[in-house]
Amino acid sequence: GAVVSQHPSWVICKSGTSVKIECRSLDFQATTMFWYRQFPKQSLMLMATSNEGSKATYEQGVEKDKFLINHASLTLSTLTVTSAHPEDSSFYICSARESTSAQETQYFGPGTRLLVL
Amino acid sequence: EDQVTQSPEALRLQEGESSSLNCSYTVSGLRGLFWYRQDPGKGPEFLFTLYSAGEEKEKERLKATLTKKESFLHITAPKPEDSATYLCAVRPSNDYKLSFGAGTTVTVRA
Repeated sequence: GAVVSQHPSWVICKSGTSVKIECRSLDFQATTMFWYRQFPKQSLMLMATSNEGSKATYEQGVEKDKFLINHASLTLSTLTVTSAHPEDSSFYICSARESTSAQETQYFGPGTRLLVL
Repeated sequence: EDQVTQSPEALRLQEGESSSLNCSYTVSGLRGLFWYRQDPGKGPEFLFTLYSAGEEKEKERLKATLTKKESFLHITAPKPEDSATYLCAVRPSNDYKLSFGAGTTVTVRA
């Protein structure tokens, strides 16, 4: 199956600083990527849809000025958590949509655990 | 609004004890139903995509089936390494976004 990577896998930062998370599709091109966050023992919560070459689409209740998304190429999307606070601590996971003539699916990255002190 | 309901929430099995997980859904035009496996602290791992009622797919001890209202994930003769949370998601025909169920956590005891 297709591979999606995330970097870093975990990060600890001080309150008020910004953190950038990278999501890469390693062996396919993805015009659409997605960013999720997941709290312990809960399912995935979609934050935003990242579209290559255009602005991201945010879900209701997600602050676009706090969670900046840039989809600069067909294999890279970044999520920047600006002025992070302890309540932003969570597990952030990206996915990339692969579509061929035979099938379509979304492949997920391994996740990034963010701890804001 | 698309909805996905998974049952049971948790399932404890003895090694070799086959069982099924249920995923009931309502969606405005199903483009695909997805099954993922998630281990603690990791991202979901893709298992299957089902596109139309009557379709079945298999992978090792797992078999997924689809009807117009629900999907089943059958685990045949499970092993401890099959312990994980299994997530079901649907994609409507008019959007790329997936709607996820809450998941079923499967624990297989040796």
